Amino acid sequence: NAGVTQTPKFQVLKTGQSMTLQCAQDMNHEYMSWYRQDPGMGLRLIHYSVGAGITDQGEVPNGYNVSRSTTEDFPLRLLSAAPSQTSVYFCASSYSVMRMNTEAFFGQGTRLTVV
Amino acid sequence: AQKVTQAQTEISVVEKEDVTLDCVYETRDTTYYLFWYKQPPSGELVFLIRRNSFDEQNEISGRYSWNFQKSTSSFNFTITASQVVDSAVYFCALSEANGNKLVFGAGTILRVKS
Repeated sequence: NAGVTQTPKFQVLKTGQSMTLQCAQDMNHEYMSWYRQDPGMGLRLIHYSVGAGITDQGEVPNGYNVSRSTTEDFPLRLLSAAPSQTSVYFCASSYSVMRMNTEAFFGQGTRLTVV
Repeated sequence: AQKVTQAQTEISVVEKEDVTLDCVYETRDTTYYLFWYKQPPSGELVFLIRRNSFDEQNEISGRYSWNFQKSTSSFNFTITASQVVDSAVYFCALSEANGNKLVFGAGTILRVKS
């Protein structure tokens, strides 16, 4: 049981490049989300999904796109990378949005640097 | 709107000292859930505890204990007899029963020196 798998673990991009951060979970969780972690700001929600085909914006969605074609996968796309997107990105999943009382499982994180 | 405040940016203690990490939350819901996560230097997020708003019993797990007080909207975390391995960033988080997201505090960096 792999849990939540994020790839890559590290990435360096040039300003203006695009890329996709991958996230997959094998727990049949309905709810998946992406966070970014910046010093002194905790984790901030970028986008989330309550099930296949359904996505919504979080607190800091600008510059990012998501899709949820399957229950297992929730990729995060950076359309045109900017230095302000330098951060550590975490993908998380939990059983159901209606059961947010359950813990969220986090991936290992992706450290992204935009130069 | 939901909000979590961890006023302590960084705490340094000497091994074997007790340390309390503060967490104050804001929510309009009567049903909500509070969490603590640990982020060790390796970077992953480790779930520590979940507490729902109807259960104000304090909880103890080994050297860890949590004090939930609805009257002061606080959910504080105490480590007894701290160890170097407790050095990490600790996050408090809140989710509302009718909401769809987990809101985190800014985190508290705990440094335990030998």
